[in-house]
Amino acid sequence: KNQVEQSPQSLIILEGKNCTLQCNYTVSPFSNLRWYKQDTGRGPVSLTIMTFSENTKSNGRYTATLDADTKQSSLHITASQLSDSASYICVVSPPYGGATNKLIFGTGTLLAVQP
Amino acid sequence: KAGVTQTPRYLIKTRGQQVTLSCSPISGHRSVSWYQQTPGQGLQFLFEYFSETQRNKGNFPGRFSGRQFSNSRSEMNVSTLELGDSALYLCASSPNRGGNTEAFFGQGTRLTVV
Repeated sequence: KNQVEQSPQSLIILEGKNCTLQCNYTVSPFSNLRWYKQDTGRGPVSLTIMTFSENTKSNGRYTATLDADTKQSSLHITASQLSDSASYICVVSPPYGGATNKLIFGTGTLLAVQP
Repeated sequence: KAGVTQTPRYLIKTRGQQVTLSCSPISGHRSVSWYQQTPGQGLQFLFEYFSETQRNKGNFPGRFSGRQFSNSRSEMNVSTLELGDSALYLCASSPNRGGNTEAFFGQGTRLTVV
């Protein structure tokens, strides 16, 4: 079983609509939780980074939330654009103070925004 | 500042051959991590290098190896290629080690084994 699971696996929405992607994790403790956007055939690009003590972090039309009690995070995309079509990956970083850069990746949600 | 550079971008090899992939991190970054991405498994950690030493290794067979040079550039090598090694190989560059260190990814090398 993956330590970081995401839902839905894929999603199709119309341009201009909002959507929310979910991430459930079992990794505990951890240093921070990140959301990455990955365009097809390219490397992931960081959207947000939240420490375990933060509840929300925004980056333009992207807003991530974190509930450490339920071990859930969500990524909300507002007023979607065609360029938002990509895979969105939830990533958990090793515990604070741990000397490692070994990231734990979620399964990803493939988002398609249609005109 | 230049980003993470991976070469080559695309590679086609036959079963049994070996391959070497290269990663040049962002200037000043000392940590390089490698990941394998396949449609079925997602992103899987391969290994991490810092100051020319392997610090962490994922659950991959010994056919997968790597090294880091004094200028922080890193290479990974896969010997005796199998069809299942076909994947996008990504490297991530970080200034240091530790959970709060930002990771910047390269564009990846798409390896196809036929």
